[in-house]
Amino acid sequence: KAGVTQTPRYLIKTRGQQVTLSCSPISGHRSVSWYQQTPGQGLQFLFEYFSETQRNKGNFPGRFSGRQFSNSRSEMNVSTLELGDSALYLCASSQGPGLAAREQYFGPGTRLTVT
Amino acid sequence: AQSVSQHNHHVILSEAASLELGCNYSYGGTVNLFWYVQYPGQHLQLLLKYFSGDPLVKGIKGFEAEFIKSKFSFNLRKPSVQWSDTAEYFCAVNEAYNTDKLIFGTGTRLQVFP
Repeated sequence: KAGVTQTPRYLIKTRGQQVTLSCSPISGHRSVSWYQQTPGQGLQFLFEYFSETQRNKGNFPGRFSGRQFSNSRSEMNVSTLELGDSALYLCASSQGPGLAAREQYFGPGTRLTVT
Repeated sequence: AQSVSQHNHHVILSEAASLELGCNYSYGGTVNLFWYVQYPGQHLQLLLKYFSGDPLVKGIKGFEAEFIKSKFSFNLRKPSVQWSDTAEYFCAVNEAYNTDKLIFGTGTRLQVFP
């Protein structure tokens, strides 16, 4: 079974631009979560989607947004990029609600560099 | 607000030494607990998890962790480390039942020398 895939793997953008990152969950998984990983702040939760609905949102500015499609694939968008947005963005998928489904599988991440 | 503390930021061991990494969390309700590992150049992988039942859980590659509810702790242990255990280890907490959201600790970098 294929794992979580994220595209692109690497991205370089300029301040003020916007960016869209994509995540394809493991087949059959319906829940997708996004995290930002930086050396200074560690791993921080961005948002969580299930059945195309945002179930939870982390403490990030409104420039960060996301969505989930009917096939469970998810995208996140960052508008008006700032230097501090440089990070590894990780996507994780799980089967969905329910205690047994709490095990999440992470993708390799998208390394975003803002110059 | 929930938080997770990992007290050891950088641990250096020789092969065959025993390992214990500390993890404490602050949350009064029911939680699920996880240890993830990130090997150099690889993505996060689940080492082990605790949902309920026996507080001593065993994971992959000989790792185990003990949940002590009264101490809000979930320490990771391995009796004899190998060079291949060199990696960064993250403790994470999830509020039971209603969300997949994970609160991560800051991570512990483990270096094992032959």
